[in-house]
Amino acid sequence: NAGVTQTPKFQVLKTGQSMTLQCAQDMNHEYMSWYRQDPGMGLRLIHYSVGAGITDQGEVPNGYNVSRSTTEDFPLRLLSAAPSQTSVYFCASSLRLGQGANGYTFGSGTRLTVV
Amino acid sequence: ELKVEQNPLFLSMQEGKNYTIYCNYSTTSDRLYWYRQDPGKSLESLFVLLSNGAVKQEGRLMASLDTKARLSTLHITAAVHDLSATYFCAVSEYGNKLVFGAGTILRVKS
Repeated sequence: NAGVTQTPKFQVLKTGQSMTLQCAQDMNHEYMSWYRQDPGMGLRLIHYSVGAGITDQGEVPNGYNVSRSTTEDFPLRLLSAAPSQTSVYFCASSLRLGQGANGYTFGSGTRLTVV
Repeated sequence: ELKVEQNPLFLSMQEGKNYTIYCNYSTTSDRLYWYRQDPGKSLESLFVLLSNGAVKQEGRLMASLDTKARLSTLHITAAVHDLSATYFCAVSEYGNKLVFGAGTILRVKS
């Protein structure tokens, strides 16, 4: 059971480049979400999805797009990378909006640097 | 808008001592989470607190929830070096998105 798998683990981008951060889960979780973690600010929600075909914005959505074509996958797209998007990105999933004994399962993270 | 505040943000403890981390939140919530994060690692779930008065314990850590005061505490008993990490509380607003506190960096000194 792989849980939540994020790729890549590390990435360096030049300003203006685009890329997709991948997130996949094999637990049949309905709810998936993306967070960014910056020093001293905890984790902030970027986008989330309550099921295939349904997505919504979180606290800091600007500069990011998401889609949810399958239950398993929830990719995060950076449209035109900016240095302010340098951060650690975490994908998280749960059975249904935090349900289940342990609530949310987090991926291992993607450390992104934009130069 | 749901706000979550943790204090202290940094805690340096001696081994064997007790201390408490506080988590205050601004609006009604149906569940509260505590996570641990080691440097460069992902978040590990510690506790899920579902109702007023809930208390959960795992080893030297005990978490409690007072929904009337909108307060959760994470109590550390007889700290050991292995407990050094960053601890986050997070609150969900009736099943909606999860909002995190800024985190408490805990350093246990021998």
